[in-house]
Amino acid sequence: SQKIEQNSEALNIQEGKTATLTCNYTNYSPAYLQWYRQDPGRGPVFLLLIRENEKEKRKERLKVTFDTTLKQSLFHITASQPADSATYLCALGETGGFKTIFGAGTRLFVKA
Amino acid sequence: GAVVSQHPSWVICKSGTSVKIECRSLDFQATTMFWYRQFPKQSLMLMATSNEGSKATYEQGVEKDKFLINHASLTLSTLTVTSAHPEDSSFYICSARGPFKETQYFGPGTRLLVL
Repeated sequence: SQKIEQNSEALNIQEGKTATLTCNYTNYSPAYLQWYRQDPGRGPVFLLLIRENEKEKRKERLKVTFDTTLKQSLFHITASQPADSATYLCALGETGGFKTIFGAGTRLFVKA
Repeated sequence: GAVVSQHPSWVICKSGTSVKIECRSLDFQATTMFWYRQFPKQSLMLMATSNEGSKATYEQGVEKDKFLINHASLTLSTLTVTSAHPEDSSFYICSARGPFKETQYFGPGTRLLVL
């Protein structure tokens, strides 16, 4: 069966460190992968999109990698700040597909 | 750009009443809108996909007569929860396809509490 797995345990890190979140998938052939941020009681906010033919993408302090062989994406936040504390969702879109499938998200806490 | 609004942001209603939630794309035309439901600490659950001018496509297990969706224009979709019951209490979020087809832009969500 198709699965998107994100670490269900919260990630706690110290301010200034790099946070790394993982998204693994099985039985998918994604054409692209997206990362969203969701704060409590709010809708998700789009952060980055990476396509299947791209290895890495960066945006300010954010970096996403996409390994279609390992079926994994890593999401990095460098120089993390308490304001980065939120739940981060990965989402997959398949080739020729129409829907985007979301993972359950990983909660990140950045301590000052 | 790519802002999506939802109204109301929260609603409390009595069991048996109907509740309408509006989703608007404010600065772009959305040919497709999506409706999600989310329970605490759980993932987004897609309820239905709404295309402008045509009937919504519902996910398996979602009652189309219970959750009425209307996508009347390129900037507005509505979700009506008919004869609401306490088990319908949840966080409802809409999203719209932005200028790039892959990216969905989400509304801020509507929290529904049915007493």
